[in-house]
Amino acid sequence: NAGVTQTPKFRVLKTGQSMTLLCAQDMNHEYMYWYRQDPGMGLRLIHYSVGEGTTAKGEVPDGYNVSRLKKQNFLLGLESAAPSQTSVYFCASSLEGGSGANVLTFGAGSRLTVL
Amino acid sequence: KNEVEQSPQNLTAQEGEFITINCSYSVGISALHWLQQHPGGGIVSLFMLSSGKKKHGRLIATINIQEKHSSLHITASHPRDSAVYICAVSPCMDSNYQLIWGAGTKLIIKP
Repeated sequence: NAGVTQTPKFRVLKTGQSMTLLCAQDMNHEYMYWYRQDPGMGLRLIHYSVGEGTTAKGEVPDGYNVSRLKKQNFLLGLESAAPSQTSVYFCASSLEGGSGANVLTFGAGSRLTVL
Repeated sequence: KNEVEQSPQNLTAQEGEFITINCSYSVGISALHWLQQHPGGGIVSLFMLSSGKKKHGRLIATINIQEKHSSLHITASHPRDSAVYICAVSPCMDSNYQLIWGAGTKLIIKP
C-alpha cells in the first residue's frame, strides 16, 4: 500500500520553463490537495480537488494549474516557472474534507528550484 | 495576528524530559490536527481531535474548545522525537476545505 506518491522528488528548472508534478494515491480518497512549504511559513494551499473532474483554487493559486482527470491522480502544472516558485511542494489526500473530519495523508514532497 | 499560533517556536530539551507544545487559535473550529515533520521532509498526521484528549504511545494531545487551545505532550522524550510539530485547524464556517496552519514548533531532543 503506497499511500500518496509524488514524482519527481527533485527538479531544477530555469525561469520560463514548464513542468508538471504528479500526485498519485491508492486509498480511494475523494479529496486531494497541493501545498507549498517555504522556510518559516506554514503550509499554504495552492489548489485542491473534492473529486474526480473537479478542481478549486486555494490560498496561493497564481502561476499554477491543476487537473484531476482520474480519481487517483492530481497533477500540478507550472506553465512558466518563476524563482518565486522555488519551494517544497506537498500533495495530500483525505477520504473526505470540508468539516475537517478526516485525516490528511501526505506525500514525501517534491523540492523544486527555479533558477 | 495569525489565526493559529504555536509556542514555543523552537524547543531544545534533554532526552527523557516531558515536552509540551502549545497551539492557540482564534476561530471556531470543527477539528484540530497535530502533524509531525521530520528532517528530510515527510509529514505525518499524529492526531485529529475536536474535544477532550487522545493518546498514542508517548504522545498525548488535549484540546480545550472554550479556551481555543490545544497542547501536544511527549512523555519520556527521545532523540527520534526531534522534528517539527505542526498544528492546523478546520474552521467551522469554511466551505473551501482549507485548513489554517500554524508555523510549526521545531523540537530538538539531545541525548
